[in-house]
Amino acid sequence: EAQVTQNPRYLITVTGKKLTVTCSQNMNHEYMSWYRQDPGLGLRQIYYSMNVEVTDKGDVPEGYKVSRKEKRNFPLILESPSPNQTSLYFCASSLLAGDYNEQFFGPGTRLTVL
Amino acid sequence: GQNIDQPTEMTATEGAIVQINCTYQTSGFNGLFWYQQHAGEAPTFLSYNVLDGLEEKGRFSSFLSRSKGYSYLLLKELQMKDSASYLCAVRLTDSWGKFQFGAGTQVVVTP
Repeated sequence: EAQVTQNPRYLITVTGKKLTVTCSQNMNHEYMSWYRQDPGLGLRQIYYSMNVEVTDKGDVPEGYKVSRKEKRNFPLILESPSPNQTSLYFCASSLLAGDYNEQFFGPGTRLTVL
Repeated sequence: GQNIDQPTEMTATEGAIVQINCTYQTSGFNGLFWYQQHAGEAPTFLSYNVLDGLEEKGRFSSFLSRSKGYSYLLLKELQMKDSASYLCAVRLTDSWGKFQFGAGTQVVVTP
């Protein structure tokens, strides 16, 4: 089944404890992206990747890191999480970044930072 | 700066038509997408416009006017399962990979 998977789905952690949220897609998509979703603010883009080893900042990159060492995986790293990073996180992928290319979203990761 | 506006909530009756407006002010425009998001689920793609005009897809249609910075999503013959949040998203010209989303419009369909 073609899909985007994220792990973990739910995570409660404490301030300052490094964590990684994994994202993987099995559709051979070139483009991948991370978003956070907060009430009243909608989806905000954190980082995106146009292809392997190519990453760029979205609108809210502070406090996050990403890497794209292989096509299928795009992990999101929080080196020192803070309570303001409590949010619902979505990973998405599309075949290419340009033109008509819909994004397929993962199921989401609900993160709480205490 | 960038700004994408949508109404917060709309209510309509089963079988009726609802139009969700989206206005945008961005430094560069390179396509507009509509996504549907049911509560507790991931967004799913509905439609895409890059040229002015109407795109029709079954019960859903989307319209774009680039000169006015305006789009709408039209949902016809509303069904209970259409109760969801509808997200307007603009792709920016400074990068094919950069997107900005509106806050979403919650549509409530009543019997």
